[in-house]
Amino acid sequence: AQTVTQSQPEMSVQEAETVTLSCTYDTSESDYYLFWYKQPPSRQMILVIRQEAYKQQNATENRFSVNFQKAAKSFSLKISDSQLGDAAMYFCAYRRGNSGNTPLVFGKGTRLSVIA
Amino acid sequence: DVKVTQSSRYLVKRTGEKVFLECVQDMDHENMFWYRQDPGLGLRLIYFSYDVKMKEKGDIPEGYSVSREKKERFSLILESASTNQTSMYLCASSLWGQGRSQPQHFGDGTRLSIL
Repeated sequence: AQTVTQSQPEMSVQEAETVTLSCTYDTSESDYYLFWYKQPPSRQMILVIRQEAYKQQNATENRFSVNFQKAAKSFSLKISDSQLGDAAMYFCAYRRGNSGNTPLVFGKGTRLSVIA
Repeated sequence: DVKVTQSSRYLVKRTGEKVFLECVQDMDHENMFWYRQDPGLGLRLIYFSYDVKMKEKGDIPEGYSVSREKKERFSLILESASTNQTSMYLCASSLWGQGRSQPQHFGDGTRLSIL
């Protein structure tokens, strides 16, 4: 079974600084997708960024980027110019890619605090 | 924008009651999911459905059942609620997309307390 590990239960960052959240996963599949979701105190899960395993180029969405190391099975999230609104729980998630209906497998989450 | 609506944000029930959690999505998504979220455990899949009347067990189906009579609605049922089912429940939906990175869209969650 696939597993997703987030080794940092809590992280903090100063406003305007950069922070990296770690995620590793275990799979024997070659076709899969990786996601980072954000859950602010309002509770709604929001998609931050996604990465297709077959793409070598790291995904970027504005201040959010990933470092995808397929051989190492690592998928870290970098948040640049951190803002107070970035404070949230962040979940890394994996989905097998060879079917359109497979569910996500989530890590246990990292709680990010942003210090003004 | 995709809208996934869960019927209650907060719910308090008693041990032994039959509890229904409702979820409705408005984007004609084939797939729907129920997760349970507990501190330190992340999100764990209870059940999912990829079509009307179809269901698949997730990682923790014990004590739960589901119903999907219409494409837009996916109900989670606690047959006889117990205190260890006190938790946050999240519903999600997604398009069927073989070979595509279809994200899941989530509702706001239902915080369920069983007394």
